Amino acid sequence: DTGVSQNPRHKITKRGQNVTFRCDPISEHNRLYWYRQTLGQGPEFLTYFQNEAQLEKSRLLSDRFSAERPKGSFSTLEIQRTEQGDSAMYLCASSLGPHGPLHFGNGTRLTVT
Amino acid sequence: DAKTTQPPSMDCAEGRAANLPCNHSTISGNEYVYWYRQIHSQGPQYIIHGLKNNETNEMASLIITEDRKSSTLILPHATLRDTAVYYCIVMEGKLIFGQGTTLQVKP
Repeated sequence: DTGVSQNPRHKITKRGQNVTFRCDPISEHNRLYWYRQTLGQGPEFLTYFQNEAQLEKSRLLSDRFSAERPKGSFSTLEIQRTEQGDSAMYLCASSLGPHGPLHFGNGTRLTVT
Repeated sequence: DAKTTQPPSMDCAEGRAANLPCNHSTISGNEYVYWYRQIHSQGPQYIIHGLKNNETNEMASLIITEDRKSSTLILPHATLRDTAVYYCIVMEGKLIFGQGTTLQVKP
């Protein structure tokens, strides 16, 4: 069990650029979640997958955000035309089934200048 | 919105038990209570979860009241490394985090 891996750990980009983050879940975990966290706040739910199917998307996930999990293993989160308000820590988690505990990665910190 | 209420902060002396309360009065019969903690700059760490019975693992104990409207996380011998934000969450298919309790363990 190597844990949930997220890359990159840090990303600095200019406003208007596109960015993509990758999450590698714990192997055999069929559920994968994306969260966003800003300073001083708890993580906010963005979306989750069961295998390759995206089952739920938060209202927070605007049209500029898209997440994929094409083969039911790793996932990518893309943000198009980044804005300064997108600056946050983006966290990924995985679990085995609906009641299995979520195991989180250490996140990707995005800074939009 | 989160379905739980926690005090914003608590202090605990090193070596003593830390008892962190959580109210979840609207919990449904099939919803689990989960506890996570987050240390600065790291992702949340799973601690323990339960449905209606009390649970214990190597990290903590979880006491759930009979009516399931509240629970308490117990860290039996708190250390300085237990200083963190602790989140109590009722799972509804996904975790919805509230503000949590900032636990400060003091020497």
